[in-house]
Amino acid sequence: GENVEQHPSTLSVQEGDSAVIKCTYSDSASNYFPWYKQELGKRPQLIIDIRSNVGEKKDQRIAVTLNKTAKHFSLHITETQPEDSAVYFCAAPQHSGYALNFGKGTSLLVTP
Amino acid sequence: NAGVTQTPKFQVLKTGQSMTLQCAQDMNHNSMYWYRQDPGMGLRLIYYSASEGTTDKGEVPNGYNVSRLNKREFSLRLESAAPSQTSVYFCAIRTGNQPQHFGDGTRLSIL
Repeated sequence: GENVEQHPSTLSVQEGDSAVIKCTYSDSASNYFPWYKQELGKRPQLIIDIRSNVGEKKDQRIAVTLNKTAKHFSLHITETQPEDSAVYFCAAPQHSGYALNFGKGTSLLVTP
Repeated sequence: NAGVTQTPKFQVLKTGQSMTLQCAQDMNHNSMYWYRQDPGMGLRLIYYSASEGTTDKGEVPNGYNVSRLNKREFSLRLESAAPSQTSVYFCAIRTGNQPQHFGDGTRLSIL
């Protein structure tokens, strides 16, 4: 089956620093890569996504980069704030195209 | 999140009991999904329905059944609950290659 590997599993940064989370995928046909943020006790919520026809996408302090050749994509959060503390999940489409495979998540802690 | 409504929000069952988790959407999306979330395991797909009238197994279907009752509703049934099925269950919806939206989850404990 298709796998999505996500690293690191935990990440602690000081407020104002940058945070980077990396994911790799196995299906070269994958063409859509979303990132979700999940706060404690809440549902996962989409924060940014990228399609395979672009290499980078930014939305304020959040950016995602995609390297199709290496089959990896990354989430970059700049000027981190305590409210960025959450679990972040990357995902990539399954071969069928209907469902997503999720990484196991990265628990980000931003300390004041 | 009015788009995806899951019921109940919490449930405690005894081993061997049966239960149906309900999911309803008002966003007219074609595809609906059931995931379970366990600590350190991320979100694992149980079953999905690409469109009304179709269902397919995901990564962890054993012990579960589903019904796509109509375009709005997709239910998940545990026929004989086991402690290993203690988890948080999320329903999600999607159309085409658009983002997937999640419900608020059902927290299920099986004793």
